[in-house]
Order: sequence, then structure tokens, then C-alpha cells
Amino acid sequence: TQLLEQSPQFLSIQEGENLTVYCNSSSVFSSLQWYRQEPGEGPVLLVTVVTGGEVKKLKRLTFQFGDARKDSSLHITAAQPGDTGLYLCAARRNNNDMRFGAGTRLTVKP
Amino acid sequence: DTEVTQTPKHLVMGMTNKKSLKCEQHMGHRAMYWYKQKAKKPPELMFVYSYEKLSINESVPSRFSPECPNSSLLNLHLHALQPEDSALYLCASSQEPTNYGYTFGSGTRLTVV
Repeated sequence: TQLLEQSPQFLSIQEGENLTVYCNSSSVFSSLQWYRQEPGEGPVLLVTVVTGGEVKKLKRLTFQFGDARKDSSLHITAAQPGDTGLYLCAARRNNNDMRFGAGTRLTVKP
Repeated sequence: DTEVTQTPKHLVMGMTNKKSLKCEQHMGHRAMYWYKQKAKKPPELMFVYSYEKLSINESVPSRFSPECPNSSLLNLHLHALQPEDSALYLCASSQEPTNYGYTFGSGTRLTVV
């Protein structure tokens, strides 16, 4: 069973549109991370959320951690072609054992 | 220095070859990781080292042999690999313990022929 269920798997939108990516689990986490990965590169950490209900903003990206610390969302406002990439949520089963969701492959068309 | 450096960037090896992947960080991180990523899939955890000791081995075949010579270096020794082992191999590091994310290298693109 997947520790983290991520949706949607694929998303293709026009520049300027908004989108939301979801990361869900039946497990409670002490923290959850979001990464962005471009082809041929390693994942780059975008944010860590720690407190239930927490909202963090990174320019046009808004990250939310569910109140029960079982789920998270990533919202992008006015998407740009530079936002194209693979978005991955990740969390630990226990210390040092970090697993990724299946990822959301985002394409933003000019 | 806030980077994880992996070498080589690309590697092509035959099924009878022996090769090594190298990973280096100078952030003082005491946990280091190997992940394997196949095309169109997320990274999958292979090994975890904590304070230079192997703490997690995700039932990885013995043809992959990790080594952590010191707190800054992590190697992955490869021997008798199969074509299906072709993938992007990612190294990462983090503080230990940590509730936060990892720093990943750019990976080694391995092709087994």
C-alpha cells in the first residue's frame, strides 16, 4: 500500500490558470515535505509543514497541512511555464525513512 | 556549501563490470541516503546511513553495496548489474535527527548494457 496518495497524477493547464495538488494518507505525520523535480535533476525541497492546519506561502505557491496531519495540498496561483515539473510530496514512516508520493506531473502551456 | 555532489553524472556499464557511484556533502549532515528512480516514477529508498552506520536496507539486492567511509562521503558499489537496474540514482543528506527535508544531489544516470 502506498504511504502517500497523490492526485492528480498528470495536469496540463494554460498559463495563468490556478491548480491544486493533493497528498493524502491514513497515517499521521510529524511533518510533510513538498519537492519539485525537473528532468535529469534531483528533487529540490520547496517546503516543510509541521503543525496541523499550517499554511505556508512561497510566492505563488501555497502549502497547507491538514488539521489532523494526515494530508496536505499545494495550490499554485497564475501558473507559469516555469512551474512545469514533477511535484512530489514526501513524509517519514519513522525517523530517516522518508517515502514519496507517486508525484504530479505538471505542464503549463504558454 | 549547501550542495550534495554526485559523480559521475552519467555511467554506462556492462553486466560484468564493477563500478562505484560517489556522493559528497560538506553541510555537516550525519544522515545520508541512496534512492533509485526509474523513468516516470518517484524516487524509491534503497539505503540509509546514520552517523556512518547502515540503519536501513530496503531489501536491496547484494549486487548493490553501500559504503560510508566518513561523515561526508557515501559510495554505492555496483557489480554484476542487470539492464533493469538502469535508473537515476540519487544521493541525499539531512541533519540527524530531523523533522525537515533532505538535500538531494543531481543524480547519476546509470545505463546497464
